[in-house]
Amino acid sequence: EAQVTQNPRYLITVTGKKLTVTCSQNMNHEYMSWYRQDPGLGLRQIYYSMNVEVTDKGDVPEGYKVSRKEKRNFPLILESPSPNQTSLYFCASSLRTSGGIEQFFGPGTRLTVL
Amino acid sequence: EDQVTQSPEALRLQEGESSSLNCSYTVSGLRGLFWYRQDPGKGPEFLFTLYSAGEEKEKERLKATLTKKESFLHITAPKPEDSATYLCAVQRTGANNLFFGTGTRLTVIP
Repeated sequence: EAQVTQNPRYLITVTGKKLTVTCSQNMNHEYMSWYRQDPGLGLRQIYYSMNVEVTDKGDVPEGYKVSRKEKRNFPLILESPSPNQTSLYFCASSLRTSGGIEQFFGPGTRLTVL
Repeated sequence: EDQVTQSPEALRLQEGESSSLNCSYTVSGLRGLFWYRQDPGKGPEFLFTLYSAGEEKEKERLKATLTKKESFLHITAPKPEDSATYLCAVQRTGANNLFFGTGTRLTVIP
């Protein structure tokens, strides 16, 4: 089954404790991205990657890191989480076509930073 | 600056009562406009891509249309299972990322 998987699905942590949220896709997609979703603000892109070793900032990259060492994986790293990073996070992947980016989303990771 | 505004924020319909959701956008060159459906606690699910003004796409009870300033998602004779949040996003020409609106939360009452 074609899918995007994220782990963990739920995470409660404390300020300053480094964490990684994993994302994996089995569709051989080149393009992957991370979003956060907050009430009233909608989905905002954090980082995206157009291929292995190619990453770029989205609209809200501060406080986050990413890496793309393999095509299927795109982990999101919070080096020193803060309470304002409490949010619902989504990973997405897509084929890059001439028409644009049609993204497939993972199930989400709900992060709480105390 | 790219801007996407969706209206209304929330919409309640009786089963069978057709209506439209609006997505107004401002972007310096549109490469694509995307509609997604999001159920509570789940990731958005891709519905449609529209590329140029005048284009229309249909899927079951949903029909998406596009003009140079806005897109409409028409819902014909909705059913309770159509209840969800509908998200609109744009991709600017030359850009490799999407910019999302805040969505319209649709509730269809039996």
